[in-house]
Amino acid sequence: EPEVTQTPSHQVTQMGQEVILRCVPISNHLYFYWYRQILGQKVEFLVSFYNNEISEKSEIFDDQFSVERPDGSNFTLKIRSTKLEDSAMYFCASRDRVNSGELFFGEGSRLTVL
Amino acid sequence: AQKVTQAQTEISVVEKEDVTLDCVYETRDTTYYLFWYKQPPSGELVFLIRRNSFDEQNEISGRYSWNFQKSTSSFNFTITASQVVDSAVYFCALSEYSDYKLSFGAGTTVTVRA
Repeated sequence: EPEVTQTPSHQVTQMGQEVILRCVPISNHLYFYWYRQILGQKVEFLVSFYNNEISEKSEIFDDQFSVERPDGSNFTLKIRSTKLEDSAMYFCASRDRVNSGELFFGEGSRLTVL
Repeated sequence: AQKVTQAQTEISVVEKEDVTLDCVYETRDTTYYLFWYKQPPSGELVFLIRRNSFDEQNEISGRYSWNFQKSTSSFNFTITASQVVDSAVYFCALSEYSDYKLSFGAGTTVTVRA
């Protein structure tokens, strides 16, 4: 069964450092997402991406965050200067077409900022 | 604005008991999707069901069943004859019909004791 894969599974970083979380969506999917879950809290939408540009972003997704699809397969989330409150599980998700299709989530990347 | 309320924070049952998880939502959209996801202790998000707002037919899948009532804006989930492996956090979520920007509820932690 096709799946969304995320790396790393866990990253520990120092406050102020840049972090890149990587995702490989399912190959024929067109819509990509990042969600975040702070420990013990609900899952929150960060950003959606289609046709090589951001479709929509939440208030959480400020200037410290960026996404790109550098090579047609990977979909990355970059946090330029991490803060303690960025510690969370980050989920990548993808789906194949509008108004249809299941939203497939990856297993998540846990980010710990010290 | 969209909002999903899962009023039950935690539910504890003994194996083989049935458990029903409540989900109430708010949206101004006339068409939308409703979802349930399971998050086991390992942390990944496991898709359980997606329901279109114009399809009010209830659904059963094995020990799982869903009761969608548009009149009361509820999408409740029942696990019949619960098992220890059902122990997890269960999230209800809502999205616009044209976009999978999911709004998640706070989740209900289900603990099934042997």
